Amino acid sequence: AQRVTQPEKLLSVFKGAPVELKCNYSYSGSPELFWYVQYSRQRLQLLLRHISRESIKGFTADLNKGETSFHLKKPFAQEEDSAMYYCALSGRGTSYGKLTFGQGTILTVHP
Amino acid sequence: EPEVTQTPSHQVTQMGQEVILRCVPISNHLYFYWYRQILGQKVEFLVSFYNNEISEKSEIFDDQFSVERPDGSNFTLKIRSTKLEDSAMYFCASRTITDTQYFGPGTRLTVL
Repeated sequence: AQRVTQPEKLLSVFKGAPVELKCNYSYSGSPELFWYVQYSRQRLQLLLRHISRESIKGFTADLNKGETSFHLKKPFAQEEDSAMYYCALSGRGTSYGKLTFGQGTILTVHP
Repeated sequence: EPEVTQTPSHQVTQMGQEVILRCVPISNHLYFYWYRQILGQKVEFLVSFYNNEISEKSEIFDDQFSVERPDGSNFTLKIRSTKLEDSAMYFCASRTITDTQYFGPGTRLTVL
């Protein structure tokens, strides 16, 4: 069974502080991992996928297969980063595309 | 930039009534999905659809649920006899073969 855990429901930081949103997963095989973001009153949108190894809006995430983690990091948080963040996993093969989401973390960046 | 659209944005219905939630995926996408999110809970996969048939469904997607792509552009989710616990936000998503999923804005379903 595939499972995604985001241990923090709420995370508050001040502007300019580093931020790390934690994500751990369980999957027997090599999954594909994603971070989705949902700004207030907007749709879910892709922030990062691990295979692209991009940095989007200053965020990065590294897949750690040993620790089965995919934590999202940003060195200097901005107020506009305040949003709900979801970690998600897709299996391979016939289950590719079916996303399993974590509970989400609400990030609040204070001025 | 093309977007997935969903209608209506909010649907209120009485328990036992049928509802149809509509989605228009991005035009060149081939894979279609429905997810739901009960208030305060995680986003859950309901069903995936490809080549005019269901490719995978979750245990939530029981006989009360069905999906259809009636005209090559719309993708619908029907709930035959709604229950109180069907109240949730329903998201449609679509993708090409290799790309990630693009989500619609959601339909909030309230069952009274």
